[in-house]
Amino acid sequence: TQLLEQSPQFLSIQEGENLTVYCNSSSVFSSLQWYRQEPGEGPVLLVTVVTGGEVKKLKRLTFQFGDARKDSSLHITAAQPGDTGLYLCAGAFDFGNEKLTFGTGTRLTIIP
Amino acid sequence: AAGVIQSPRHLIKEKRETATLKCYPIPRHDTVYWYQQGPGQDPQFLISFYEKMQSDKGSIPDRFSAQQFSDYHSELNMSSLELGDSALYFCASSSRTGGTETQYFGPGTRLLVL
Repeated sequence: TQLLEQSPQFLSIQEGENLTVYCNSSSVFSSLQWYRQEPGEGPVLLVTVVTGGEVKKLKRLTFQFGDARKDSSLHITAAQPGDTGLYLCAGAFDFGNEKLTFGTGTRLTIIP
Repeated sequence: AAGVIQSPRHLIKEKRETATLKCYPIPRHDTVYWYQQGPGQDPQFLISFYEKMQSDKGSIPDRFSAQQFSDYHSELNMSSLELGDSALYFCASSSRTGGTETQYFGPGTRLLVL
């Protein structure tokens, strides 16, 4: 069973600060996806990373995939109250059978 | 852009009753996944279908069954419901033939078993 550790579980910072969320596994991901989920709603896709060392940017969000494809990070620059929410990383470990294993999530609160 | 559709959005059932959840994937997506998310927990994989055939099975109780139909929609059938089945059930779809299998999630069905 592949395990996926996400940290921190909770993060509360002031508006304007930067933050980084980490997602780690002992196994190699075939792909990794970051989602944001609002209470009672489905996860909304932010990004998919596939290639080791890949960096993707989505406005103030920067996603990095480790060279060995075992870890990923989400960096938010100049956090805003609208960034408040639950961020989930989800990894697939088998090419061609991409069921997702989710991390425990990071609940982010941005204080105005 | 069209998204994954799930119905119903909310469902209340009594113990030992049955429930059927429906999922309509994004057009031209060939793969459907079902996940269960308990309160305060991350989504757990239940079962998946590719081109109408079951492709993988996770921690799905024997009381549950699912299938994917010729129009690619999928149904999750849940029988002999238990209190512990109360959860959010998500369907996700992807295009396996399209390369990277990014999964797009529906809004979920909230099931409450009383």
